[in-house]
Amino acid sequence: DVKVTQSSRYLVKRTGEKVFLECVQDMDHENMFWYRQDPGLGLRLIYFSYDVKMKEKGDIPEGYSVSREKKERFSLILESASTNQTSMYLCASSFWTGTTGELFFGEGSRLTVL
Amino acid sequence: QQQVKQSPQSLIVQKGGISIINCAYENTAFDYFPWYQQFPGKGPALLIAIRPDVSEKKEGRFTISFNKSAKQFSLHIMDSQPGDSATYFCAASNLDTDKLIFGTGTRLQVFP
Repeated sequence: DVKVTQSSRYLVKRTGEKVFLECVQDMDHENMFWYRQDPGLGLRLIYFSYDVKMKEKGDIPEGYSVSREKKERFSLILESASTNQTSMYLCASSFWTGTTGELFFGEGSRLTVL
Repeated sequence: QQQVKQSPQSLIVQKGGISIINCAYENTAFDYFPWYQQFPGKGPALLIAIRPDVSEKKEGRFTISFNKSAKQFSLHIMDSQPGDSATYFCAASNLDTDKLIFGTGTRLQVFP
């Protein structure tokens, strides 16, 4: 089975702190994604990556950055956390572009910024 | 802006009934339309998907109906069961990018 693991299920941080959300996939997938999920807004794409050291902005990249130093690992970074970044963050991976299009999601990291 | 509009926001159905969730899209370049199912505390998981070259796809009790001219697609859950209670997201993408655009979600509750 494909496994996408998000290292932290629940985090509580203070405004201005730097936050790292880590994601690891074990299926040698080329593509990795970070979404945030908010009630009534669905899933919104923050950043995605088609290859190591490669990244592309999604629909809501402001306030976030990402790092992909190894194929299996994709990190989301909040340089200076703000209260409006309180949300559920979902990491996903997929095979190379142009195949089934199926995303495999982790179980999410719920971040609260005080 | 690329959008996928989903309705209703919530749905309550009795066991054995039919659940229907609707989505509409704007970008005619989309060529892949999946539905994801999410249980509480879990990430979304692919339920069923359709390409625009067919008007309907059925997998067990789950059916996608697709209307290309109207740019709409819907999920039908026949004989709904309490175990179907979850949040459902429609999505759309161009398979050249794998960049899925999700709808806002529908919380389905099926009561015995």
